[in-house]
Amino acid sequence: DSGVTQTPKHLITATGQRVTLRCSPRSGDLSVYWYQQSLDQGLQFLIQYYNGEERAKGNILERFSAQQFPDLHSELNLSSLELGDSALYFCASSVGGLREQYFGPGTRLTVT
Amino acid sequence: QQQVKQSPQSLIVQKGGISIINCAYENTAFDYFPWYQQFPGKGPALLIAIRPDVSEKKEGRFTISFNKSAKQFSLHIMDSQPGDSATYFCAASVSNSGGSNYKLTFGKGTLLTVNP
Repeated sequence: DSGVTQTPKHLITATGQRVTLRCSPRSGDLSVYWYQQSLDQGLQFLIQYYNGEERAKGNILERFSAQQFPDLHSELNLSSLELGDSALYFCASSVGGLREQYFGPGTRLTVT
Repeated sequence: QQQVKQSPQSLIVQKGGISIINCAYENTAFDYFPWYQQFPGKGPALLIAIRPDVSEKKEGRFTISFNKSAKQFSLHIMDSQPGDSATYFCAASVSNSGGSNYKLTFGKGTLLTVNP
């Protein structure tokens, strides 16, 4: 167990809908990273927050957004969902100044 | 553009054998190279990591070999066990002036099967 928690574990929704994925980092970790894992694209970095501020953006669609709250948990919001958004979404956390990232168990999103 | 290329895609090894997974990178600014292990239905778990000032790092049965001039690094699993059967990902990241953004660029993964 990495100490990173993600909810929900599974999510099934329809095209056009909006969902929110939640991540709680390890105790003391200030940095949260979001990654998407799909069969064709592999593991891709989406966005990173550090102590409430956005620090880096990767291959994140404009329909997706994220935020990190004062208690350091983070939420990834996915809107106008398309079939191609079906994937595993992982968050990872790190202390901030250190390189090691610890991943949560992921949320499996299925868009029908 | 795939910045980290991983091979092979799949690997079958007999129990007790050596598993070798290779990765090559293009971005010479990469300066941290971790390996992750992922079991079905689980998140990637950090296995071992190396920095380019070291040519080899060993932790138990897992060894990373690093060749900076060739821009290649590999994972060796000695005395492979059926419990090692999983997908392995290499990754790389770049340090930055802010010191807090270390996004990982992953290889495509290698599915390792260790037969009993």
